[in-house]
Amino acid sequence: RKEVEQDPGPFNVPEGATVAFNCTYSNSASQSFFWYRQDCRKEPKLLMSVYSSGNEDGRFTAQLNRASQYISLLIRDSKLSDSATYLCVVQTSGNTPLVFGKGTRLSVIA
Amino acid sequence: DAGVIQSPRHEVTEMGQEVTLRCKPISGHNSLFWYRQTMMRGLELLIYFNNNVPIDDSGMPEDRFSAKMPNASFSTLKIQPSEPRDSAVYFCASREKGGTYNEQFFGPGTRLTVL
Repeated sequence: RKEVEQDPGPFNVPEGATVAFNCTYSNSASQSFFWYRQDCRKEPKLLMSVYSSGNEDGRFTAQLNRASQYISLLIRDSKLSDSATYLCVVQTSGNTPLVFGKGTRLSVIA
Repeated sequence: DAGVIQSPRHEVTEMGQEVTLRCKPISGHNSLFWYRQTMMRGLELLIYFNNNVPIDDSGMPEDRFSAKMPNASFSTLKIQPSEPRDSAVYFCASREKGGTYNEQFFGPGTRLTVL
């Protein structure tokens, strides 16, 4: 079983739509969680951290369910510029490497 | 702030040739990571260093792969001999090592094609 699993997509949605991505992780010792964004032919970049209580950054909301080992990302009012691959990332502790899911591809269509 | 610098950006080589990928981490960052990304396998960690010391190389696929970090500002990933299945994008990343999370920054990657 992969350590971090995501639906690969692609998700094709119209502008203005709300879209949700899900992710599960297998290591119950994981302590830190993130969403990274990767544009086509570019490097991954941090989108947001995911906190236990859930957190929001503008149109983006991240949720964590430790009991189910499940992470989600919700994007409201999708923009064309949101088209990218979204990578779910977990970390066991501050000194250990990040473990990446394979990513979910999003295409926002005009 | 130059960010993580990688060279070359693109490399096309023939099977059997030696390939050397280079990385300069962000100044002050003391953890460095080499990843490989393919469509099939996603982003895989190959090896990482803390304070120039290799900590975990269990992700290095074969003995053909080797990595060094002779000082805090330079690392290399070498493939010798290269094979077509090594074709991928190789990313270097760096971050500050610490007890709380510090953002990990990626370089632009080296796109390797082995013919």
